[in-house]
Amino acid sequence: DADVTQTPRNRITKTGKRIMLECSQTKGHDRMYWYRQDPGLGLRLIYYSFDVKDINKGEISDGYSVSRQAQAKFSLSLESAIPNQTALYFCATSDGTQAEAFFGQGTRLTVV
Amino acid sequence: AQSVTQPDIHITVSEGASLELRCNYSYGATPYLFWYVQSPGQGLQLLLKYFSGDTLVQGIKGFEAEFKRSQSSFNLRKPSVHWSDAAEYFCAVGDEYGNKLVFGAGTILRVKS
Repeated sequence: DADVTQTPRNRITKTGKRIMLECSQTKGHDRMYWYRQDPGLGLRLIYYSFDVKDINKGEISDGYSVSRQAQAKFSLSLESAIPNQTALYFCATSDGTQAEAFFGQGTRLTVV
Repeated sequence: AQSVTQPDIHITVSEGASLELRCNYSYGATPYLFWYVQSPGQGLQLLLKYFSGDTLVQGIKGFEAEFKRSQSSFNLRKPSVHWSDAAEYFCAVGDEYGNKLVFGAGTILRVKS
């Protein structure tokens, strides 16, 4: 099993719908992140959490919210999806010491 | 603010040829620098990282990178490319704890036989 698991892997949704992307990890790491990947832009940080009670906005948090349900679970929500949120979304974890981030396999989201 | 520039969007090399992917960064203090590789349909895998010490770092799959503070660069190299190296490569810089990565736009490597 993967250390960082994202569900769903692919999702097509309609404009205006609420959608949740889920991430769970078995690494035992405190730090979790959500990134968005767009062609030609690389990955950009949406939100990050250093522990269960800590939530922080990243570079592009507008239109997104997150929930850290447990150390191992970090969900990303789009309250009202819009087409320019079509992208590949990655969850990542780190332990804050070795500074290596471990990535899930990504969720490809299409908003039509 | 931190930033990373990868000047080459696409690079094509012949199998067996050498490779150098360029990365320039902007960061106020000592940077934590990373190279990740993304194969099609896959997540990102860490190739190597630099925090301090020897400026030439070795990574997995035969890759190496050299940190040059005077040029604000962290270029990735491989002496002989294999067809399986075809992928997208990302340079990234982290904060003082090596977290909250800022990524470059990526370089897509194509390998021709």
